[in-house]
Amino acid sequence: NAGVTQTPKFQVLKTGQSMTLQCAQDMNHEYMSWYRQDPGMGLRLIHYSVGAGITDQGEVPNGYNVSRSTTEDFPLRLLSAAPSQTSVYFCASSYSAGTSYNEQFFGPGTRLTVL
Amino acid sequence: AQTVTQSQPEMSVQEAETVTLSCTYDTSESDYYLFWYKQPPSRQMILVIRQEAYKQQNATENRFSVNFQKAAKSFSLKISDSQLGDAAMYFCAYRIMEGSQGNLIFGKGTKLSVKP
Repeated sequence: NAGVTQTPKFQVLKTGQSMTLQCAQDMNHEYMSWYRQDPGMGLRLIHYSVGAGITDQGEVPNGYNVSRSTTEDFPLRLLSAAPSQTSVYFCASSYSAGTSYNEQFFGPGTRLTVL
Repeated sequence: AQTVTQSQPEMSVQEAETVTLSCTYDTSESDYYLFWYKQPPSRQMILVIRQEAYKQQNATENRFSVNFQKAAKSFSLKISDSQLGDAAMYFCAYRIMEGSQGNLIFGKGTKLSVKP
């Protein structure tokens, strides 16, 4: 199993450009999520999905869109990049949401710089 | 809303010594999970240890153990016999149970340095 994969690893954008961060998992996990990590802020939840066709907002959703058309993929779209979106982005997945314990597996992260 | 607080932005320990990282949280839930994650310079998030709130016994994983005080809402991580490879950012995290979301709330992290 490849686990959770993210592409690209690094990206530089200009203000106003759009792009999609890719996330895929091959573990048949129902739950997937996107976090951003800023210096001194820890990881904050952007969007999450508890299954194909179902998405919801996290703590910091503004400026980002997601969709979940398949179980495997959960892309994060930046509609019009802003310097405030300069961050490291992590995708994570787990077998299911639910009330029982399910370990979340994290991807390697994408470092995004918006100029 | 749940919050997680790590009051030590940076900590330092001598190799082979013991260090304790602090974490407090706020919640109205009675059942939940708590975690410690390690993030080395590679950026990869690595699960170190987890604790179920309904278990009174403190979790232990080799050199890593926790001191879970549910009434005080405290969840500290103790690293024994510190090694150079333990140098990393450490994040405390709380798993939301309400609504069966499974989302994690993270603290701001503690940067641990290990001196040879």
